[in-house]
Amino acid sequence: KAGVTQTPRYLIKTRGQQVTLSCSPISGHRSVSWYQQTPGQGLQFLFEYFSETQRNKGNFPGRFSGRQFSNSRSEMNVSTLELGDSALYLCASSLSQLAEKLFFGSGTQLSVL
Amino acid sequence: GQQVMQIPQYQHVQEGEDFTTYCNSSTTLSNIQWYKQRPGGHPVFLIQLVKSGEVKKQKRLTFQFGEAKKNSSLHITATQTTDVGTYFCGGAGSYQLTFGKGTKLSVIP
Repeated sequence: KAGVTQTPRYLIKTRGQQVTLSCSPISGHRSVSWYQQTPGQGLQFLFEYFSETQRNKGNFPGRFSGRQFSNSRSEMNVSTLELGDSALYLCASSLSQLAEKLFFGSGTQLSVL
Repeated sequence: GQQVMQIPQYQHVQEGEDFTTYCNSSTTLSNIQWYKQRPGGHPVFLIQLVKSGEVKKQKRLTFQFGEAKKNSSLHITATQTTDVGTYFCGGAGSYQLTFGKGTKLSVIP
């Protein structure tokens, strides 16, 4: 069974640009959640989707948004990038709703210059 | 909102020594999960604890969930170089998994 796939693996953007990250969950998993990982802050919860509906959202500004498609694939968008958005963005999938065992992808390393 | 504190932030041990990381939540948890992230890798699920006072073992790793379901610990006996990485606890509230900042373990051979 294929694991969670995130694309792209690395991304370099400049301030003010926007970016879209993609996540394909494990087949059969309907819940997808996104986390931002930085050295100082650990894993911070962005949002969680289940059956195309956002079920939960962390404390991030509205520049961070996401969506989930009918095939459970998910995208995350960050608009008007800031230097502080540089981080590893991790997607995780689970069978049902959040709070169950998470399977993480390898992440997208975003650098904002 | 729910907060999860994890200590220590860093731990350096000699190979063969024991290691413990502690996790405390500001709210009662429905379950707690532990993950390990190797350097350059992504978090990998280790275990989930659900019951008050639960203790689970995986070889040299012992996981405990507090009676009040607000704290947990991970203890590694006789560390090996393969144990190197960052250990995260994740506290499950209603629909959210809140992670501690992790404990980075270094093992000196």
